[in-house]
Order: sequence, then structure tokens, then C-alpha cells
Amino acid sequence: DGGITQSPKYLFRKEGQNVTLSCEQNLNHDAMYWYRQDPGQGLRLIYYSQIVNDFQKGDIAEGYSVSREKKESFPLTVTSAQKNPTAFYLCASSIWGQNMNTEAFFGQGTRLTVV
Amino acid sequence: AQTVTQSQPEMSVQEAETVTLSCTYDTSENNYYLFWYKQPPSRQMILVIRQEAYKQQNATENRFSVNFQKAAKSFSLKISDSQLGDTAMYFCAFSSGGSNYKLTFGKGTLLTVNP
Repeated sequence: DGGITQSPKYLFRKEGQNVTLSCEQNLNHDAMYWYRQDPGQGLRLIYYSQIVNDFQKGDIAEGYSVSREKKESFPLTVTSAQKNPTAFYLCASSIWGQNMNTEAFFGQGTRLTVV
Repeated sequence: AQTVTQSQPEMSVQEAETVTLSCTYDTSENNYYLFWYKQPPSRQMILVIRQEAYKQQNATENRFSVNFQKAAKSFSLKISDSQLGDTAMYFCAFSSGGSNYKLTFGKGTLLTVNP
């Protein structure tokens, strides 16, 4: 079945440590996205990538890093520089093309807790 | 930059009744896409309905329909014959039809359907 897989579902991190969240898709989508969800804040865009080996900062990129070495994979690293990393993280993907319907498909999310 | 505003943080409706969720957006573009996503307690994001800005006809998907007012930049969601399974967070989202395909979300409306 085609879809987006995020792992792990729950993640605990000690303060000062970097941690990487995995996102894999087999939908053959060019574009991939990382969102952060906090209560009352909706979904805020961290990073997005439209093609392999290219990505752009979203609205809240500070303290995060990404890579896009393969079309299927878009891992997100939460660095120690992120001051408030405890949140629910959602990965999404979509087709890419001007004037095309860019409906996004989402993974099931990763709940990150800093302890 | 595009913004999406959902002015109703919470709403409730009785089972079998109709409810309308509001969404307004701000953009200078003429070609774009609008979406309503549902996030049930499982936190899996599910597309409910989408609207292309160049289409004048309002989109409909079974019990879900939209009222798209392009000039007013309004995109409300109407849920008819509400069911208990409709209880969820509902997010309005905007995607540009140009070269920047990132999906911008509102802060969400928590809808509770009461028996």
C-alpha cells in the first residue's frame, strides 16, 4: 500500500541531545514537508523540499535541520538549539507542479518529548 | 505571505444537525487551492474536501460542502447530518498555484458532535 511512514511514533530525548525523526514515502511524490503541531497553534511549517537535494526553510526552521538525499526520504533532525522541542511532528508529501493540485498526504506523526 | 484564519477555536453540534466552520485567507494570488483537513483523536490528518480557486462551483463530498467566496476570501465548510465520527479538529489550508507549493494551515477548529 502506498503511503507515508513516520518513525518512531513516540520519542524521548534528553536536553542537549540531537534527535532525528524519520519520514519515508512510496507515493512517488516530489514534494515533502515537515510540520510542527502545538495545542492552539495549528500546523506550522518547519522545512519543505520540492526536489531531491534541495529544501527550503519554512516559518519556524530555527533549531531544525533536514536532508533530502533520496526522493523517498526526508528526515528531520531536532538539534539542541531548538529551545522548546516537545511537540507533535507531522511529515507530509504531495505532487509538485505549477497549477497542479497539491493535496498533501500525511504520516501518522511522531510525538517528541524532552525529558 | 499567505495567511489562513479560523476564528472559531471550538464548536459543538447535535448529532444529525448541520454545522458550518469558518475560514478566511489572505493572498494576492489569483490561482490557488484550498483544503479542509480533519484530524480525529488518532491525529491522522485526513483530507475532507478541496477547492480550486479557478472553479466557481462549490465543491461537495457527500455530507461535506464548501461555500467559496473568492472576492471575500472566505472558504467555509458545511457538515450536514453530523455524525459522532465527525468529532475532530478541522483545519483549513491554502496552497499556492504558483511555484511555491507549501501548504499553509489555520489554527484549527475543534468540533464536537454530541449525541
